[in-house]
Amino acid sequence: GQQLNQSPQSMFIQEGEDVSMNCTSSSIFNTWLWYKQDPGEGPVLLIALYKAGELTSNGRLTAQFGITRKDSFLNISASIPSDVGIYFCAGIYSGAGSYQLTFGKGTKLSVIP
Amino acid sequence: DTAVSQTPKYLVTQMGNDKSIKCEQNLGHDTMYWYKQDSKKFLKIMFSYNNKELIINETVPNRFSPKSPDKAHLNLHINSLELGDSAVYFCASSPWAGAGNQPQHFGDGTRLSIL
Repeated sequence: GQQLNQSPQSMFIQEGEDVSMNCTSSSIFNTWLWYKQDPGEGPVLLIALYKAGELTSNGRLTAQFGITRKDSFLNISASIPSDVGIYFCAGIYSGAGSYQLTFGKGTKLSVIP
Repeated sequence: DTAVSQTPKYLVTQMGNDKSIKCEQNLGHDTMYWYKQDSKKFLKIMFSYNNKELIINETVPNRFSPKSPDKAHLNLHINSLELGDSAVYFCASSPWAGAGNQPQHFGDGTRLSIL
């Protein structure tokens, strides 16, 4: 099956710093999603990207769908303590009657006040 | 108000027991899913149902049996629980998967611990 490589696995940053994480795949996706999971909760959708090259923002978060359709990045600007959590990328491939969603292994973000 | 709700939130039981986890969504979605998240936080899909029909059945032991009485509910029954079943199980839903690239919405998870 399709696999996603998400990096970095973990990050420790100072409050106020910008953060960048990315996902790459050996195969193409139709949609890229970014989720955040807080401790004890389920993943919550942050941003959905539907077109190659698309750049979308949600507050301090910006994500882009790579031109090759095989990668995506998520940036967080001016990090704050509540940004702590695990961020997952996910890619959807659908076509010819099939639908497959694949998750990356997550980036654990720690913010030092 | 909760869009995707799972019960129970915590489940502690002994090896060999049979248990069920329930999931309900009030989003009007057609497709529902079960995921298993292991201790390393990796999310792996187990099953997917579209309008009560099984459409994804990954390599999961047949001790796990999903049941969808209607499109708003997808329950997971597990027989003869084993130590390796300890994990967090997430239910999710989306509009009909076959209609395009629809994001999934997740419940808060059921933390299953096998003693």
